[in-house]
Amino acid sequence: AQSVSQHNHHVILSEAASLELGCNYSYGGTVNLFWYVQYPGQHLQLLLKYFSGDPLVKGIKGFEAEFIKSKFSFNLRKPSVQWSDTAEYFCAVNEPAGGSYIPTFGRGTSLIVHP
Amino acid sequence: GAGVSQSPRYKVAKRGQDVALRCDPISGHVSLFWYQQALGQGPEFLTYFQNEAQLDKSGLPSDRFFAERPEGSVSTLKIQRTQQEDSAVYLCASSQRDITFDTQYFGPGTRLTVL
Repeated sequence: AQSVSQHNHHVILSEAASLELGCNYSYGGTVNLFWYVQYPGQHLQLLLKYFSGDPLVKGIKGFEAEFIKSKFSFNLRKPSVQWSDTAEYFCAVNEPAGGSYIPTFGRGTSLIVHP
Repeated sequence: GAGVSQSPRYKVAKRGQDVALRCDPISGHVSLFWYQQALGQGPEFLTYFQNEAQLDKSGLPSDRFFAERPEGSVSTLKIQRTQQEDSAVYLCASSQRDITFDTQYFGPGTRLTVL
């Protein structure tokens, strides 16, 4: 079974600091990869996704993620965080070769950005 | 436009009671997913519908859990004889197409507390 690891459970940064959140998955075949974000009091929403092509994916609000197949990783980055980036971030993976529409989620990383 | 809605937003049940949780997906969305999210964890897959067909129910934790989507739109997740371990947030998501990398749009969730 697929597993997704988000090693940083809590991250605290000051505004303008750079951000990198780790995500590693276990499956070695073709994968679809997602980062979702949940702002306080809001629904989970998609930040960005990778399914083919350029391994560097750009999403909303200045976020990007790089798919490194050899490392089974899909880390999320932002060069300069803002207070409004305070949220819970979830990495998710599914395996399209098996026809699977079902993403496996990591346990999430709570990001707090101090103004 | 309207997003995914769920009702009730909060439900308190006594152990042994039956509960029914409703999900209204975005109009026209083919796929519908139910997830269970325990405190401090990521969403865990319960079941998946493509139109009215329940294609995967492998995540339902026991035969006390039942889901339906009879007309391919609104879905209901029913939990019979609730137990304390059923306490969690139940999330519903829908996606427009039946492809593995389609974006899922999440509802606000129903927080179930079993006393």
